[in-house]
Amino acid sequence: EVQLVESGGGLVQPGGSLRLSCAASGFTFSSYWMSWVRQAPGKGLEWVANIKQDGSEKYYVDSVKGRFTISRDNAKNSLYLQMNSLRAEDTAVYYCARGQWLYYYYYYMDVWGKGTTVTVSS
Amino acid sequence: SSELTQDPAVSVALGQTVRITCQGDSLRSYYASWYQQKPGQAPVLVIYGKNNRPSGIPDRFSGSSSGNTASLTITGAQAEDEADYYCNSRDSSGNNWVFGGGTKLTVL
Repeated sequence: EVQLVESGGGLVQPGGSLRLSCAASGFTFSSYWMSWVRQAPGKGLEWVANIKQDGSEKYYVDSVKGRFTISRDNAKNSLYLQMNSLRAEDTAVYYCARGQWLYYYYYYMDVWGKGTTVTVSS
Repeated sequence: SSELTQDPAVSVALGQTVRITCQGDSLRSYYASWYQQKPGQAPVLVIYGKNNRPSGIPDRFSGSSSGNTASLTITGAQAEDEADYYCNSRDSSGNNWVFGGGTKLTVL
């Protein structure tokens, strides 16, 4: 069964750091782009970051550039999101998702984890 | 603010057809993908590319695109289709991705 399981969420103070993990199973992790998407309480989805199969390309939403780092360990079938200098507005459920390309032009996310909750508060 | 614009809420009578739209300049260059999210659950991909459905998605879901507008159509809406629907595409720069604000679909 294709599965993504996020972990690492929790309560952190403003200015603090947190590292999220996403464990992949049931597919060849190293063959896929991966994404992080978040959802603030009562709000819509927000794309956060994408990473290429070998980690050579990474893309971020402007609001997290310089603070968040997406990475992966293909040997461990794992995706990560290192979050530094956290702000209250980073409070959200964070989902990891598997990325697919159609004609290497149209990107979509076909498998999602259940999410992990990050709360930034003093 | 989102570069993709969706109506916040749409309603449809049971068994009728409903179209959910997503507008944005980047849609002139890129197809949108569509995601269904029910309360307390993770999003589920329902449409990608020009009009492609993942395995397991009923054929009452279809997608289309014209100019700067992408549309998700549900033909014969069912009670279980009541959910939030989000479009997603690359932004105008092509180097980032963006979601629409979401549309809450109510099936009456």
